[in-house]
Amino acid sequence: DAGVIQSPRHEVTEMGQEVTLRCKPISGHDYLFWYRQTMMRGLELLIYFNNNVPIDDSGMPEDRFSAKMPNASFSTLKIQPSEPRDSAVYFCASRDTLSGANVLTFGAGSRLTVL
Amino acid sequence: RKEVEQDPGPFNVPEGATVAFNCTYSNSASQSFFWYRQDCRKEPKLLMSVYSSGNEDGRFTAQLNRASQYISLLIRDSKLSDSATYLCVVNSNTNAGKSTFGDGTTLTVKP
Repeated sequence: DAGVIQSPRHEVTEMGQEVTLRCKPISGHDYLFWYRQTMMRGLELLIYFNNNVPIDDSGMPEDRFSAKMPNASFSTLKIQPSEPRDSAVYFCASRDTLSGANVLTFGAGSRLTVL
Repeated sequence: RKEVEQDPGPFNVPEGATVAFNCTYSNSASQSFFWYRQDCRKEPKLLMSVYSSGNEDGRFTAQLNRASQYISLLIRDSKLSDSATYLCVVNSNTNAGKSTFGDGTTLTVKP
């Protein structure tokens, strides 16, 4: 398996633009998580899905952020409009609970810079 | 109070030293526990799972104390390559499978 695939790896955009981050989880994993990491706030859980259904989005900072998981192999995190304070590394991670392993596997992250 | 708390460090130790990290968690119903390692500008990667009976992997030993709600990581004979941030992770079985990370402990091993 290629692991968790995220795109783009790097994005530089201007304030006010829409940003879409993409994630392909490991096949067969039933949970998908979106995290954001900054020096100031560490690793923050934004939202997570179980079997494509959003379970907890209480970590989503505000209405400018939205996430979808239309099927088991794809998820998006959208920021519209983007602001400089959204600059961070956004990680997607998936987990296989059904096998009992319960181990999170991360993608390489999407580094977002909003000017 | 944060759900998962770690001493942020930094820990600066010489090569060959033994260093220990602790992590406390607030949810007594937490189900599974892990240590992850994160190198600069990289994603977190699993270092080891933590079992109730304690477990060892080479120079690394992890322990769980459910009564006191903490987990620990011991690194013996530290190497320069151990320099990284170490994150503890707690999975909850009462919050629909949520995985919560501590803020991490930074370790620098010096020659």
